[in-house]
Amino acid sequence: DAGVIQSPRHEVTEMGQEVTLRCKPISGHNSLFWYRQTMMRGLELLIYFNNNVPIDDSGMPEDRFSAKMPNASFSTLKIQPSEPRDSAVYFCASSLLADYTEAFFGQGTRLTVV
Amino acid sequence: AQKVTQAQTEISVVEKEDVTLDCVYETRDTTYYLFWYKQPPSGELVFLIRRNSFDEQNEISGRYSWNFQKSTSSFNFTITASQVVDSAVYFCALSEVNTGNQFYFGTGTSLTVIP
Repeated sequence: DAGVIQSPRHEVTEMGQEVTLRCKPISGHNSLFWYRQTMMRGLELLIYFNNNVPIDDSGMPEDRFSAKMPNASFSTLKIQPSEPRDSAVYFCASSLLADYTEAFFGQGTRLTVV
Repeated sequence: AQKVTQAQTEISVVEKEDVTLDCVYETRDTTYYLFWYKQPPSGELVFLIRRNSFDEQNEISGRYSWNFQKSTSSFNFTITASQVVDSAVYFCALSEVNTGNQFYFGTGTSLTVIP
């Protein structure tokens, strides 16, 4: 299995632009998580889905952030409009809900908003 | 309140020394899972171990060992004979059955092994 695949690996964008981060979970996994990592705040859970349904989005910083999971093999995290303080590494992770298995992480997307 | 506390922010040891990374968790669930992850300088998060709340047996894997004690709500990680490649940030995490598989991560412990 290829593992969790995130794209792009790096993104540099100007303030005010829309940014879309993509994630393909491990095939068969039915829990998907979006995390943000910064030096100041560490690893923050933004939102997670079980069986494509958002369960908890209380970690989403504000309305500029939105996440979707249209099917079991794809999720997006969108920031519109982006701001410099959104600069961080964004991780996607997936796991198998039934067994409460470990979450497997993608390589992350390093976002820089200038 | 933090569900997972890693009180050690940074640790430095000399190569071949043993080092223990502390993790204290908080939960009211009777069924839960504990995890350790490693984040090397390259940035990826690597799964190391998973433990369920009903299994308090300590585990050893090569130079790594884990001590799970429900009485003190701790799940500590020891690296024996540390090596430079062990330099990384280590995260402890908790997953509670009643919160639907949400993972709570600690703030991480940055370990530097000095050659």
